[in-house]
Amino acid sequence: GAVVSQHPSRVICKSGTSVKIECRSLDFQATTMFWYRQFPKQSLMLMATSNEGSKATYEQGVEKDKFLINHASLTLSTLTVTSAHPEDSSFYICSASGSGGTDTQYFGPGTRLTVL
Amino acid sequence: GENVEQHPSTLSVQEGDSAVIKCTYSDSASNYFPWYKQELGKRPQLIIDIRSNVGEKKDQRIAVTLNKTAKHFSLHITETQPEDSAVYFCAASSNDYKLSFGAGTTVTVRA
Repeated sequence: GAVVSQHPSRVICKSGTSVKIECRSLDFQATTMFWYRQFPKQSLMLMATSNEGSKATYEQGVEKDKFLINHASLTLSTLTVTSAHPEDSSFYICSASGSGGTDTQYFGPGTRLTVL
Repeated sequence: GENVEQHPSTLSVQEGDSAVIKCTYSDSASNYFPWYKQELGKRPQLIIDIRSNVGEKKDQRIAVTLNKTAKHFSLHITETQPEDSAVYFCAASSNDYKLSFGAGTTVTVRA
């Protein structure tokens, strides 16, 4: 099946620093990648949709200048949390769907971000 | 936008019994309905999905039904086992491929 990796799996940082999270599709080309945030005991909330070679589209209420997304290739998308604060602490999960447009999404293992 | 509601929020069943989780959606344009299983601290795993041109789909002990008219779909797990214990999420999407998730159901299978 389709495999999506994420790195790092855990990160602890100080308030005010920036953190970059990578999402890779290992065995398929991902035209579209999605970034989600999940707080403890809650559902997944879509933050943004990332299409290769174009600007990401953000969901309402998500600050595009705080959560920078780059999708430079068909196998890599990155999410940078800039000037992180304790309220940004969460589980960040990416997903990818295949080329040509498809509705099936395959999820990465997630990144646990803790901002001190 | 799409709004997906999921019930119940928690479900406890005896091993061997069946579990049923129900979801409703609001957007009549939605045409893809996946179900995900998520264990604590892990990624959501796709367990079954159904598209709007199908009313029912089964994969071993798991089945999903879809009622487009009523805009609801359900997950059925038969002969539950302890390893079925997890959080289950329903979701819906339309042609933009963006998934809207339900709030989740914590399923506990008692041995």
